[in-house]
Amino acid sequence: GQQLNQSPQSMFIQEGEDVSMNCTSSSIFNTWLWYKQDPGEGPVLLIALYKAGELTSNGRLTAQFGITRKDSFLNISASIPSDVGIYFCAGRAENAGNMLTFGGGTRLMVKP
Amino acid sequence: EAQVTQNPRYLITVTGKKLTVTCSQNMNHEYMSWYRQDPGLGLRQIYYSMNVEVTDKGDVPEGYKVSRKEKRNFPLILESPSPNQTSLYFCASSLSLGETQYFGPGTRLLVL
Repeated sequence: GQQLNQSPQSMFIQEGEDVSMNCTSSSIFNTWLWYKQDPGEGPVLLIALYKAGELTSNGRLTAQFGITRKDSFLNISASIPSDVGIYFCAGRAENAGNMLTFGGGTRLMVKP
Repeated sequence: EAQVTQNPRYLITVTGKKLTVTCSQNMNHEYMSWYRQDPGLGLRQIYYSMNVEVTDKGDVPEGYKVSRKEKRNFPLILESPSPNQTSLYFCASSLSLGETQYFGPGTRLLVL
């Protein structure tokens, strides 16, 4: 199946710092999604991207659809303790029909 | 309240004993999907359904069956469970493909 490489796998940062994570693929994607999962819960959609070059914000979160259509990144500015969780990228590859592929996740820990 | 429900939430079973995990949504969503989540592998799509009587394989369909006889329900069937199907399973639904997916609370399955 499709492979999405998400990095870093984990981050331990100080409250107030900015965070950046990314996903790369060997295939061209036509949709990129970013989710957050809290312990014991299902993932919740944060941002959806549908066009190459698209830059979308949701509060302190900003995500971009890479120009090559093979990558995407998520930035979190001025992190706060409730940002703790696992962040997943997900996408639909151009040649994979409607199947959604997820990255391995980035575990974010924020020190107050 | 709009939601996706899954039952059971926790299940311990033995190899070979058929089981069904139910998924139901009350949002009149057309698109429904099943994922399994394993440490370090993120979420992998098992099966998805674009509408009633329309189902398709995801990334890891082997050992699973699904059905979509009615719009609101999308059960996941393990005809002969094996230990490598021990995992955390999520059902999700969305209005249509590309729309925000709402995830259920998860079903933790242990196959002995």
